[in-house]
Amino acid sequence: KAGVTQTPRYLIKTRGQQVTLSCSPISGHRSVSWYQQTPGQGLQFLFEYFSETQRNKGNFPGRFSGRQFSNSRSEMNVSTLELGDSALYLCASSVTPGTEQFFGPGTRLTVL
Amino acid sequence: QQPVQSPQAVILREGEDAVINCSSSKALYSVHWYRQKHGEAPVFLMILLKGGEQKGHEKISASFNEKKQQSSLYLTASQLSYSGTYFCGTEFSGAGSYQLTFGKGTKLSVIP
Repeated sequence: KAGVTQTPRYLIKTRGQQVTLSCSPISGHRSVSWYQQTPGQGLQFLFEYFSETQRNKGNFPGRFSGRQFSNSRSEMNVSTLELGDSALYLCASSVTPGTEQFFGPGTRLTVL
Repeated sequence: QQPVQSPQAVILREGEDAVINCSSSKALYSVHWYRQKHGEAPVFLMILLKGGEQKGHEKISASFNEKKQQSSLYLTASQLSYSGTYFCGTEFSGAGSYQLTFGKGTKLSVIP
């Protein structure tokens, strides 16, 4: 069974640009969560989707948004990038909310 | 509110035991434990539910103390492969939807 895939794996952008990250969950998994990981803050929750609905959002500005499609694939978008947005963005999928999460390899975003 | 993990870092010799604690100031519904090796994605270890039993497999087990809102991860007879950063993720009672709030992690180093 294929694991969680995330594209792209690495991304370099400049301040003010926007970026879209993609996550394909494990087949049969309907819940997708996104996290931002930085050395100082650890893993911080961004949002969680289940059946195409965003059910929860972490404490991030409105520049961070996302969506989930009918095939459970998910995207997150960050607009007007800031230097502080540089981080590893991890996507995790689970069969249903609250169960074991399987993490993807992440997208390393660098904002210059 | 982010759970507090202790210790922040620990160094063990092969065969020694360790305990990692995760404390919350809010009532917990569940605690999830993950391990992340350097440069890799977090990997699920176990979930403990409110009112549930202590979990474990092989030489890694965990408990959930509802009165103290605390979970502890026990690693016995540590092996080199146990090295990594351990994160607890907490789900709060009454949240109504699924969101994991992770601690900042405990870095465990096992040396020969």
